[in-house]
Amino acid sequence: ETGVTQTPRHLVMGMTNKKSLKCEQHLGHNAMYWYKQSAKKPLELMFVYNFKEQTENNSVPSRFSPECPNSSHLFLHLHTLQPEDSALYLCASSQTGLAYNEQFFGPGTRLTVL
Amino acid sequence: EDKVVQSPLSLVVHEGDTVTLNCSYEVTNFRSLLWYKQEKKAPTFLFMLTSSGIEKKSGRLSSILDKKELSSILNITATQTGDSAIYLCAVVTGNQFYFGTGTSLTVIP
Repeated sequence: ETGVTQTPRHLVMGMTNKKSLKCEQHLGHNAMYWYKQSAKKPLELMFVYNFKEQTENNSVPSRFSPECPNSSHLFLHLHTLQPEDSALYLCASSQTGLAYNEQFFGPGTRLTVL
Repeated sequence: EDKVVQSPLSLVVHEGDTVTLNCSYEVTNFRSLLWYKQEKKAPTFLFMLTSSGIEKKSGRLSSILDKKELSSILNITATQTGDSAIYLCAVVTGNQFYFGTGTSLTVIP
């Protein structure tokens, strides 16, 4: 069990559904991240929050909407997804969003879009 | 375009063998290089390298960065079945993390 938890662990949704992924870190970190991991592709950084402020948004489609109410919680709101969005979504946290901090990953949410 | 390339893509070895995994990168504003081990879900941190030529060691694992060659290697000696995993390399530039596709290592008894 890591200091970063994610719920749900598995999610199946239709293209018209709206759902949210949740991430919580118990490490006292100030930066949180969302990654997408698709089969045979590198991890793709989607969003970065540093001290609750979004600092990076790597050209992610608007059907993915992040929310960071405080330094310990991060959400990813999903709506009108496409089948190609099916992937493992990993949350991570680090002490700060600076380059010299290791990231701690959660177990991920396996998302399937039908 | 910044990129990180790992090789080989997959590797099958016998217990007791020594393996060397490679990570090369082409990025602007390099800050650090990280190695992770991913067994089932969450990648777990192994090493962070920022300085060239300084080996980091943890048990049977070691890693070194070569900034001249824009690469890093991860060595695992006396491999065990528990070393079977995907090994990920990530390069950090500013606040961006670029991951490679990983090397899938299988250690057979």
